[in-house]
Amino acid sequence: DAKTTQPTSMDCAEGRAANLPCNHSTISGNEYVYWYRQIHSQGPQYIIHGLKNNETNEMASLIITEDRKSSTLILPHATLRDTAVYYCIVRAPVTGNQFYFGTGTSLTVIP
Amino acid sequence: ETGVTQSPTHLIKTRGQQVTLRCSSQSGHNTVSWYQQALGQGPQFIFQYYREEENGRGNFPPRFSGLQFPNYSSELNVNALELDDSALYLCASSPGTGGYNEQFFGPGTRLTVL
Repeated sequence: DAKTTQPTSMDCAEGRAANLPCNHSTISGNEYVYWYRQIHSQGPQYIIHGLKNNETNEMASLIITEDRKSSTLILPHATLRDTAVYYCIVRAPVTGNQFYFGTGTSLTVIP
Repeated sequence: ETGVTQSPTHLIKTRGQQVTLRCSSQSGHNTVSWYQQALGQGPQFIFQYYREEENGRGNFPPRFSGLQFPNYSSELNVNALELDDSALYLCASSPGTGGYNEQFFGPGTRLTVL
């Protein structure tokens, strides 16, 4: 069952920040928000995850609203290699629990 | 550190046949999950194995089965292939079963059923 809602597609100019939104209005208190991306014909790649606080790593930043019902993945300086499908997933830390990928957002970075 | 590898890369089978797909986990990872990704869709969870035991299953029929070996490598077996089984099959390993652990995906095996 779909736990997240994402726009189907987005464009971003090369060098600009790409802001990818995700709605997860039914998120439970113990569910984390994960972001993965999938470049064409490759396996998904982990980007970042968080519970309540904003998170940053070398790839991206994750901003989670105070009520946790939505989040935004930020790629600060998008490059052509960031063109991919981005998946927002919510998942509880329960043994055997799966990742529900949905259909994601297809991001195209334009030169 | 060796990443997740899968074999074969591509495979063509005919309806009714059986297929075995293989996955080698990333070093130190004891948990492996398998996903099916149809064209234009996100990956769908098939099942997870932890220390050689099935540890969670998605909405797939029993003709999808798996094995995990003591070295944590894994196989996905599909019997009585149907046309709709044509997809990219992904395996992902993680260092544990908890939700804190991200999954590391292999490149996938593209299965075509004719």
